[in-house]
Amino acid sequence: GQSLEQPSEVTAVEGAIVQINCTYQTSGFYGLSWYQQHDGGAPTFLSYNALDGLEETGRFSSFLSRSDSYGYLLLQELQMKDSASYFCAVYNQGGKLIFGQGTELSVKP
Amino acid sequence: GAGVSQSPSNKVTEKGKDVELRCDPISGHTALYWYRQSLGQGLEFLIYFQGNSAPDKSGLPSDRFSAERTGGSVSTLTIQRTQQEDSAVYLCASSPGTATGSVHFGNGTRLTVT
Repeated sequence: GQSLEQPSEVTAVEGAIVQINCTYQTSGFYGLSWYQQHDGGAPTFLSYNALDGLEETGRFSSFLSRSDSYGYLLLQELQMKDSASYFCAVYNQGGKLIFGQGTELSVKP
Repeated sequence: GAGVSQSPSNKVTEKGKDVELRCDPISGHTALYWYRQSLGQGLEFLIYFQGNSAPDKSGLPSDRFSAERTGGSVSTLTIQRTQQEDSAVYLCASSPGTATGSVHFGNGTRLTVT
C-alpha cells in the first residue's frame, strides 16, 4: 500500500521560514509533489521532485531524498496569504497520485 | 476549456437516491483523477484513468461508487443509493500524462446527502 505522513498543523510568523516535512511509503515511487489549498478552494500545484535534491521556485523550495523516503517543502519570507493547507503527494510508476492528510499552516502577524 | 470543469458545483440529495457528478478535463489531458475530501480532511483517492488503459479503481469505497470516462475525455462519477457518509467535496483533476509532476484540479462538487 501507500502512506504519507506530514504534521497536521504548523504555526509561524510573517517573514519567517517554515519547513513542512513529509515521509512516505509506497511501491514503485516515481516522484513527490506539493499542493496548496486555501479554505474553500481547489488544490493548486506548487512543486515536484523526481530526483534527489532541492528545487526552488521563488519563495518556495522543495527537497527530496529517495533513499530516506523523505521530502520537505520550505516556505521563506512568509506572508499572511500563505496561510493554507499544504499537501504532499506521491506518484507511483503507474501514474497514480496519492495525497497525504495535509498540514494546516497558520501565519501570524 | 481553460481549466477542469465540474458540474454541478453543489448537489443536495436525499439518502437512497443516485447522483451523477461530471468532470470535463483540460483538452488533451490523458490522465484523469477523482478524489473525495471531507471537511478539514485530506484528499482520498477514488479512481484514476490514463488514456485507454484500464482504470485504477482501487480507491472506490464500495460497489455503490462507479466511474466512467467516455472517449478519453469527459468523466462521470456515479454514486448509487447515497448515504449520509457520502457527503463531501468530490474533486476531479487532469494532467497531460503520467508523472508529469502536476495535476490541475476543478473546483469540485459539494455533495450533501440529507
